[in-house]
Amino acid sequence: DVKVTQSSRYLVKRTGEKVFLECVQDMDHENMFWYRQDPGLGLRLIYFSYDVKMKEKGDIPEGYSVSREKKERFSLILESASTNQTSMYLCASSPSDRVAGYTFGSGTRLTVV
Amino acid sequence: GIQVEQSPPDLILQEGANSTLRCNFSDSVNNLQWFHQNPWGQLINLFYIPSGTKQNGRLSATTVATERYSLLYISSSQTTDSGVYFCAGVRGGSEKLVFGKGTKLTVNP
Repeated sequence: DVKVTQSSRYLVKRTGEKVFLECVQDMDHENMFWYRQDPGLGLRLIYFSYDVKMKEKGDIPEGYSVSREKKERFSLILESASTNQTSMYLCASSPSDRVAGYTFGSGTRLTVV
Repeated sequence: GIQVEQSPPDLILQEGANSTLRCNFSDSVNNLQWFHQNPWGQLINLFYIPSGTKQNGRLSATTVATERYSLLYISSSQTTDSGVYFCAGVRGGSEKLVFGKGTKLTVNP
């Protein structure tokens, strides 16, 4: 089975801290994504990557950056965490040939205090 | 813009009942997918269904791409089916998945 693993299930950070959310997939997928999910706002795309060292902004990239140094790993970075970044963060991967859909990780619930 | 609309927004069933969830999408959305989000927040991919019909146990899905809709059928519902069901499609020419707002399903014992 395709597995997408997110490093933390729950995370509490202080305002102004630099936060790293890690995501690893084990099925050699080309595409990887970071979403955040908030009540009433649904799932919103932050960044995605379709290849190593490649990245593209999603719908809400402000306040975030990403890194993809290896195909299997896609990191989301909050440069200076703020309370409005308290959210559920979901990582996903998909194959570029579209023979299958997205696979999501179990999510990281981040609280910024 | 890209639109993925789901109905109904909420659905309450007794265990054992059947249900149909609907997803309408704009003509620039393709590669339909259905997800179930469990109470712990994880999104499970139920079906990748650009067109046609697929079945997996008590669940089945049908996408009629020419008419821009997809249906998810749940038969003999169980309490573990509770959660939010999302349909999503890829924007034409990109890999970005666009989600509907979801159908919240509650199955009571």
